[in-house]
Amino acid sequence: RKEVEQDPGPFNVPEGATVAFNCTYSNSASQSFFWYRQDCRKEPKLLMSVYSSGNEDGRFTAQLNRASQYISLLIRDSKLSDSATYLCAVIRYGNNRLAFGKGNQVVVIP
Amino acid sequence: DVKVTQSSRYLVKRTGEKVFLECVQDMDHENMFWYRQDPGLGLRLIYFSYDVKMKEKGDIPEGYSVSREKKERFSLILESASTNQTSMYLCASSLGGANTEAFFGQGTRLTVV
Repeated sequence: RKEVEQDPGPFNVPEGATVAFNCTYSNSASQSFFWYRQDCRKEPKLLMSVYSSGNEDGRFTAQLNRASQYISLLIRDSKLSDSATYLCAVIRYGNNRLAFGKGNQVVVIP
Repeated sequence: DVKVTQSSRYLVKRTGEKVFLECVQDMDHENMFWYRQDPGLGLRLIYFSYDVKMKEKGDIPEGYSVSREKKERFSLILESASTNQTSMYLCASSLGGANTEAFFGQGTRLTVV
């Protein structure tokens, strides 16, 4: 089983709609969780860290469910500029290994 | 401004050649990483380093080696390039510890012919 799993999609989302997707991780020793955004032909950049209590940044909300070993990202009021691939990433306790999922491709449609 | 620089954007090499991909960061980061990214397979970790001269295998280290002689530089070496190593290679660095952001270079598109 892969360390980090995501359904790659694509997720075709009407402009203004809400989209949510999950990322599951296999290692219960995973410590830190992140969402990265990658635009076409660009390098990934941090979108937000994911905290145990959940966190929100504008239209983006991230949540962590340790019991079921998944993190989620919700995008409200989708904009055309939100079209990108969203990668989840985890770091394990005790080392600095940073592992990524395959990414969720989001296409916002006018 | 944070910067991770990879030595080449595009590279074409012949099968069997020894290939060096260089990555330099100017942020005094402890951790450095090499990934390859292929359609449908996402970002796969090849090797990472948490200190000078220290290295750890990632998920797909076969056919690769790395070198970190100085803190700011992390090199990926393809000992004998093969066509299945044609890919986008991404270097990243992070400060260290939990909850630290990783910064990526712009990537090197390597084609092995």
